[in-house]
Amino acid sequence: SAVISQKPSRDICQRGTSLTIQCQVDSQVTMMFWYRQQPGQSLTLIATANQGSEATYESGFVIDKFPISRPNLTFSTLTVSNMSPEDSSIYLCSVGKGGWAFFGQGTRLTVV
Amino acid sequence: AQRVTQPEKLLSVFKGAPVELKCNYSYSGSPELFWYVQYSRQRLQLLLRHISRESIKGFTADLNKGETSFHLKKPFAQEEDSAMYYCALSGPLRGSNYKLTFGKGTLLTVNP
Repeated sequence: SAVISQKPSRDICQRGTSLTIQCQVDSQVTMMFWYRQQPGQSLTLIATANQGSEATYESGFVIDKFPISRPNLTFSTLTVSNMSPEDSSIYLCSVGKGGWAFFGQGTRLTVV
Repeated sequence: AQRVTQPEKLLSVFKGAPVELKCNYSYSGSPELFWYVQYSRQRLQLLLRHISRESIKGFTADLNKGETSFHLKKPFAQEEDSAMYYCALSGPLRGSNYKLTFGKGTLLTVNP
């Protein structure tokens, strides 16, 4: 299995500012995934983060808005830049191992 | 394009009653199907995956390729089953690629 820790668990931010979310895994993984869950909606994949290369973004998500770092095989960050109230969501980190996808507890972001 | 449809946003049953949470999918190829559960204030966790053909907490799910369905069933619901249930799909899990497409989720409430 994989144990994933996300920080912060929640935050309230002013519009126009940026927030960086951290994801730490207890074992080395090649790929890490970032999802967004908007209020009342399902989880949507933002991007895939590979160590040593640029993240791959899904349609509708761009690097300028959601820059991602992946400095090593156990850690990644997602930044939500120039935030607006529409960015209020839960952001989740995920990794896969042994045929299972594991999730962090999520970061609940509220933009005011 | 791959898609997961959970037609019921809310499902309410009484304790001891059978429960079925519906999931239909669209995917060109052979998908991997999963059910995830999120209990109140807890992280998203894997409940079932179709390749395992196992029963977890009394839940089972059978992949019906003809109907492109992966419905989750339990013969006798318990109050502790109350949670949000997500059906999810991925392509073949090669290497470490665990990108998932989620349905919108069904909130199951089991009444005493």
